[in-house]
Amino acid sequence: DAKTTQPNSMESNEEEPVHLPCNHSTISGTDYIHWYRQLPSQGPEYVIHGLTSNVNNRMASLAIAEDRKSSTLILHRATLRDAAVYYCILDAGNNRKLIWGLGTSLAVNP
Amino acid sequence: GAVVSQHPSWVICKSGTSVKIECRSLDFQATTMFWYRQFPKQSLMLMATSNEGSKATYEQGVEKDKFLINHASLTLSTLTVTSAHPEDSSFYICSARTGSNQPQHFGDGTRLSIL
Repeated sequence: DAKTTQPNSMESNEEEPVHLPCNHSTISGTDYIHWYRQLPSQGPEYVIHGLTSNVNNRMASLAIAEDRKSSTLILHRATLRDAAVYYCILDAGNNRKLIWGLGTSLAVNP
Repeated sequence: GAVVSQHPSWVICKSGTSVKIECRSLDFQATTMFWYRQFPKQSLMLMATSNEGSKATYEQGVEKDKFLINHASLTLSTLTVTSAHPEDSSFYICSARTGSNQPQHFGDGTRLSIL
């Protein structure tokens, strides 16, 4: 079962960029890297995902290391609404067990 | 797009009651749906994976006779907690996706409290 490791918590100031790291040294060739975020008492929200190349969408950017053993979620300008727990998980799409770690709790200071 | 509706949002009931939770994909067809459980300050724990028209695949340690999952159509899956007890109190969350390697889209969760 693929696992990821993330820092327990991070802090940022509003309107500054945030780089959230994730290590996944046991990633396999078919694993996609998915990022989700969760606010208290809500279901997670999809943020972004990728396989090998860096990805951009309206919410964030995903930078994937060349060896794919780590990735970084980039929020270009943090807002107070970005304060959440961010999860990085590996998904091979074959319904192999998805393991969610504790994620990174991001605090955004005004 | 990609909206998942989960109902009810919260349930409080007596021990021994069975509770049904519905998960619907409103604007897409979900080939696969997932059911998770989350205890306070903990991460999501996958309970089971279900594909439309097939029996659900339960994770180790999850009793299939206690947590009945039905995925009758491409837009609806239900989780029934049978004879619920206080230890079943938790936050239950469903998700759905259109195909492999696609992201999961989550419902807002159901807070279940068994007295």
